[in-house]
Amino acid sequence: DGGITQSPKYLFRKEGQNVTLSCEQNLNHDAMYWYRQDPGQGLRLIYYSQIVNDFQKGDIAEGYSVSREKKESFPLTVTSAQKNPTAFYLCASSSGTGDGYTFGSGTRLTVV
Amino acid sequence: KQEVTQIPAALSVPEGENLVLNCSFTDSAIYNLQWFRQDPGKGLTSLLLIQSSQREQTSGRLNASLDKSSGRSTLYIAASQPGDSATYLCAVRRRGGGSSASKIIFGSGTRLSIRP
Repeated sequence: DGGITQSPKYLFRKEGQNVTLSCEQNLNHDAMYWYRQDPGQGLRLIYYSQIVNDFQKGDIAEGYSVSREKKESFPLTVTSAQKNPTAFYLCASSSGTGDGYTFGSGTRLTVV
Repeated sequence: KQEVTQIPAALSVPEGENLVLNCSFTDSAIYNLQWFRQDPGKGLTSLLLIQSSQREQTSGRLNASLDKSSGRSTLYIAASQPGDSATYLCAVRRRGGGSSASKIIFGSGTRLSIRP
């Protein structure tokens, strides 16, 4: 079955530590996205990529970094510069402007 | 700037009732509108995708309509069941050049509770 796989499902980060969230899709989609969701708030766009080796900042990119070396993969690194990283992170992909989004099951990141 | 609004923020109805969730958007220049369902602690599941040229889409007990001229969409759920309890989000994909066409704008969602 085609879909998006996010791992791990739960992640704990110590203060000052960088962590990387994985997102892999086998849908042959060109575009991929990272969103952050906080309790009681909507989804906010962190980064997105429309094509391999290219990506753009979203609305809340500070403290995050991404790479897009392969079409199937769009990992998100939460750096120590992100002061409030505890949140639910969602990855999505899309094949074109006329198509909808497909989402992964999310990664819950907690700072300990 | 495109803004997407969902009212009410929360809704509780008894099992078996038909119900309507609302979504409004400020800019009618869109490619499509998508309805999602989100269960607590889970990702988003796509329910229905309506292209800008379409008026409605149906899937089982769900029917979504789109009126671009008025900037509105509704999600109709027939014969509601406790398993329908979840947060429902709508999202629009706006027309425009360059990277703006790649992004979708989400509403804040309606939290639906179906009472047995």
